[in-house]
Amino acid sequence: GEDVEQSLFLSVREGDSSVINCTYTDSSSTYLYWYKQEPGAGLQLLTYIFSNMDMKQDQRLTVLLNKKDKHLSLRIADTQTGDSAIYFCAESGNAGNMLTFGGGTRLMVKP
Amino acid sequence: DTGVSQDPRHKITKRGQNVTFRCDPISEHNRLYWYRQTLGQGPEFLTYFQNEAQLEKSRLLSDRFSAERPKGSFSTLEIQRTEQGDSAMYLCASSYLPGQGYEKLFFGSGTQLSVL
Repeated sequence: GEDVEQSLFLSVREGDSSVINCTYTDSSSTYLYWYKQEPGAGLQLLTYIFSNMDMKQDQRLTVLLNKKDKHLSLRIADTQTGDSAIYFCAESGNAGNMLTFGGGTRLMVKP
Repeated sequence: DTGVSQDPRHKITKRGQNVTFRCDPISEHNRLYWYRQTLGQGPEFLTYFQNEAQLEKSRLLSDRFSAERPKGSFSTLEIQRTEQGDSAMYLCASSYLPGQGYEKLFFGSGTQLSVL
């Protein structure tokens, strides 16, 4: 079955860049997504990338996709304390319309 | 746009009892999903509806779980004879998918179930 893996934790200083990594196994993934979850709130879609793209930039967010290695990353430039949250990558693959989520990476931003 | 709302926010029940959760999606969203999230894990897909039709169910969804979306608007998720392993956050999400393309899910804040 599909599997999505992420590192558990990342700590950065305010103003630095953050890079959150994700690997997946389903080579038929059509779209890959990054969601953000803040305490007590629902998941919020941050950005997505179509599987035939290598890179997508959206303001402070840059998504890189390496299809050969099945590796996805999210770079947050000029990280702010408000970026502290759990970040989930997800893929929509061959299994239907469901999303398969990774376990989440907790980002802590220190002032 | 009031977002996806879920009720209740928290539910504490004793093992063996039945519980029912409600989800009100964003109006005119034709798809509605149920996910389950345990502490430290990502959401796991349970089931989804397109309008009132339940189109897919996960292997995680045992016979004790049933979901409905009778008029293609709100949905309910019922768990019968709850077990301690059912303790989790139950998330509802909705989307509007006009055709082929990426799908943006809007999540509710979830219902936290604790089975004692």
